[in-house]
Amino acid sequence: NAGVTQTPKFQVLKTGQSMTLQCAQDMNHEYMSWYRQDPGMGLRLIHYSVGAGITDQGEVPNGYNVSRSTTEDFPLRLLSAAPSQTSVYFCASTGDYETQYFGPGTRLLVL
Amino acid sequence: KNEVEQSPQNLTAQEGEFITINCSYSVGISALHWLQQHPGGGIVSLFMLSSGKKKHGRLIATINIQEKHSSLHITASHPRDSAVYICAVIRGAQKLVFGQGTRLTINP
Repeated sequence: NAGVTQTPKFQVLKTGQSMTLQCAQDMNHEYMSWYRQDPGMGLRLIHYSVGAGITDQGEVPNGYNVSRSTTEDFPLRLLSAAPSQTSVYFCASTGDYETQYFGPGTRLLVL
Repeated sequence: KNEVEQSPQNLTAQEGEFITINCSYSVGISALHWLQQHPGGGIVSLFMLSSGKKKHGRLIATINIQEKHSSLHITASHPRDSAVYICAVIRGAQKLVFGQGTRLTINP
């Protein structure tokens, strides 16, 4: 199993640009989530999904959209990037016994 | 006040020392995770526990639900244990709330 994969690993955007962070898992997990990690703060939940076709907002959803058309994929879209969205983004899925599987992260810089 | 507080924020120790990292939370939870984030950024799950104690190699995690407190211990610490250790609590519907992390440095 590849586990949880994320692309790209690193991205530089200009303010106002849009982009999609990709996340995929091959473990058939229903629950997937997106977090952002900022210096001095814990990981914060952006959006999550409990299964294909079902998504919901987390703690910091503004400026982000998600969709879940398949069990495997859970992309995160930045509609109009802002410097405040400079962060490291982690995708995760939840397996048996609530075990958490994290992707390697995407480092995003918005200029 | 954060719902999940870790202490200390930074910890430097010598190889071989016994390490304790603490996590206190202020909300009702169903379980708690301890995670490890390596300098390269990857996050791995160490333990998930809802009561008592778990042990894996040199790592021991305990939780006291009544006192809303958990500890992560590392015995015979080694420089490869240097990482950020993160406590996260599960609050309904599998939502995680994370502590700020404890940065551990083990010097040879």
